[in-house]
Amino acid sequence: KQEVTQIPAALSVPEGENLVLNCSFTDSAIYNLQWFRQDPGKGLTSLLLIQSSQREQTSGRLNASLDKSSGRSTLYIAASQPGDSATYLCAVPPRYGGSQGNLIFGKGTKLSVKP
Amino acid sequence: SAVISQKPSRDICQRGTSLTIQCQVDSQVTMMFWYRQQPGQSLTLIATANQGSEATYESGFVIDKFPISRPNLTFSTLTVSNMSPEDSSIYLCSVVMGNTIYFGEGSWLTVV
Repeated sequence: KQEVTQIPAALSVPEGENLVLNCSFTDSAIYNLQWFRQDPGKGLTSLLLIQSSQREQTSGRLNASLDKSSGRSTLYIAASQPGDSATYLCAVPPRYGGSQGNLIFGKGTKLSVKP
Repeated sequence: SAVISQKPSRDICQRGTSLTIQCQVDSQVTMMFWYRQQPGQSLTLIATANQGSEATYESGFVIDKFPISRPNLTFSTLTVSNMSPEDSSIYLCSVVMGNTIYFGEGSWLTVV
């Protein structure tokens, strides 16, 4: 059974710092991996989708990498800003596939960026 | 893109009662997904709702506890039946359009 773990559970950094969030998964037979952002009182927003054939994906100050063989992904946030404060979740589809809406999530990393 | 509206956004419910959560999408979609996020836990898929057929439930979730309706391609409801404090969670509906999954803002339920 696929399990997704995110470390650390919480992270507090000063503004401007570069940071890395970690995600690991137990079953490397994944189609893709997604990173989401969850703001308090709001739903989830998809940040980056990495296909299994890709090693990384970039969007603005965000860069996500994927190493299937080791079961790991990282989300790198450059020059962090207070507006980056949120919970970051990673998710993968279950081994048996199914629809794109069927995802297994980690518990998330709660990021706080201090001005 | 898709815009998803959920109602209610928050509610405090009495133990033993039932509550129905509504999910409205601004586009027609084949499948709608219902997730639960218990405090301190990860999002977990409850069921997938297809229009015109019964919902497909994930392991650990049953129709008697979480009945789902899907009367058309833009709307779905999830009922949380006979609630207990363990049902205190955020319930989110989601849809997939293209390669992107979209989530509603969630319904925060507290059972007292």
